[in-house]
Amino acid sequence: NAGVTQTPKFRILKIGQSMTLQCAQDMNHNYMYWYRQDPGMGLKLIYYSVGAGITDKGEVPNGYNVSRSTTEDFPLRLELAAPSQTSVYFCASSYYQGPSYGYTFGSGTRLTVV
Amino acid sequence: QKEVEQNSGPLSVPEGAIASLNCTYSDRGSQSFFWYRQYSGKSPELIMSIYSNGDKEDGRFTAQLNKASQYVSLLIRDSQPSDSATYLCAVFTAGGSQGNLIFGKGTKLSVKP
Repeated sequence: NAGVTQTPKFRILKIGQSMTLQCAQDMNHNYMYWYRQDPGMGLKLIYYSVGAGITDKGEVPNGYNVSRSTTEDFPLRLELAAPSQTSVYFCASSYYQGPSYGYTFGSGTRLTVV
Repeated sequence: QKEVEQNSGPLSVPEGAIASLNCTYSDRGSQSFFWYRQYSGKSPELIMSIYSNGDKEDGRFTAQLNKASQYVSLLIRDSQPSDSATYLCAVFTAGGSQGNLIFGKGTKLSVKP
């Protein structure tokens, strides 16, 4: 049982380049989330999904896109990378959005845009 | 805008002492409260959850909730150097378009041997 798997772990992008951050979970969780964490700023929600085919914006969605074609996968797309997107990105999942469940986090992707 | 506030620290305590971490939240409708521990360069790890007023104990950790004061705290007894990490308070409120966990910025704890 791998939990939440994120790839890549590190990436350096040039301004204007595009990339996809991969996230997969094998716990049959319905809910998946993408957060970014800037130094000293806590976690900010980018996008989330309540099931396959259903996604919604979080607090900081600009510059990102997501899709959820399967229960397991929730990739995050950066179309035109900007220095402001330099951050650590965490994917998380939960079985239910209700009060009894915390989130399981992936190990993170450290992205630098230069 | 729903907010979760934490003192960023760093909070420094000697080994064996009690570390007290505090968190306040703005939304009175919040239902569930969580403490995550995050070691440097690692992902957050859930260590405590609490849903009703009062105390909840798990080993050396005690979470305290006071919904009237909109206040959550985490006590770590017999602090160890391995407890040195950033502790994130997270608050869940159901409903609305988001209905997700809102995280505080975290408090950095340093336990000195």
